[in-house]
Amino acid sequence: QQQVKQSPQSLIVQKGGISIINCAYENTAFDYFPWYQQFPGKGPALLIAIRPDVSEKKEGRFTISFNKSAKQFSLHIMDSQPGDSATYFCAARSGGYQKVTFGTGTKLQVIP
Amino acid sequence: ETGVTQSPTHLIKTRGQQVTLRCSSQSGHNTVSWYQQALGQGPQFIFQYYREEENGRGNFPPRFSGLQFPNYSSELNVNALELDDSALYLCASSLAEGSLGYTFGSGTRLTVV
Repeated sequence: QQQVKQSPQSLIVQKGGISIINCAYENTAFDYFPWYQQFPGKGPALLIAIRPDVSEKKEGRFTISFNKSAKQFSLHIMDSQPGDSATYFCAARSGGYQKVTFGTGTKLQVIP
Repeated sequence: ETGVTQSPTHLIKTRGQQVTLRCSSQSGHNTVSWYQQALGQGPQFIFQYYREEENGRGNFPPRFSGLQFPNYSSELNVNALELDDSALYLCASSLAEGSLGYTFGSGTRLTVV
């Protein structure tokens, strides 16, 4: 059951540009929305996260925008760099035992 | 502070065999979750262990089982391996009380032939 839908599947951005990845969810019981970054051969690493009572969170070049009524959230990477080339997963956590449901991933390539 | 370590890093098994994957959680973390990540897909929740007991399970058959030990390390066991079990198996640790995120290991790449 796909509870978190992510798009696009892949993204190519010029160095210095803005990368935007979108996600939508169905389950209103989700209470925490993290984004993970995964490099080849590595496990996912927590990048930034937001709670549904906040509309935006910024950490350095990374910003999450959250629209609770639309059940959508997105990741913006400003001034994208070649080192940002990785696969990004949006995710959503339901309460209780902290099960995290992941999106299908976006492979980002930042070209010089 | 050590992170999450998993062993082995790679493994090749024959269909029908059994496999055990191991995970040492990050220092201070008392909860371990296991995920299966097929090639090109997002991680899928298998189950979670807290205080040595299964604390939630995803849509995986009973031949996927686990253990958590008093030191919070964990094992994932898969019996009667099928070709579709070929995937990256990820272990993630967290702190149950007030935790906001997982720390993942680098995973075990399992290939079933």
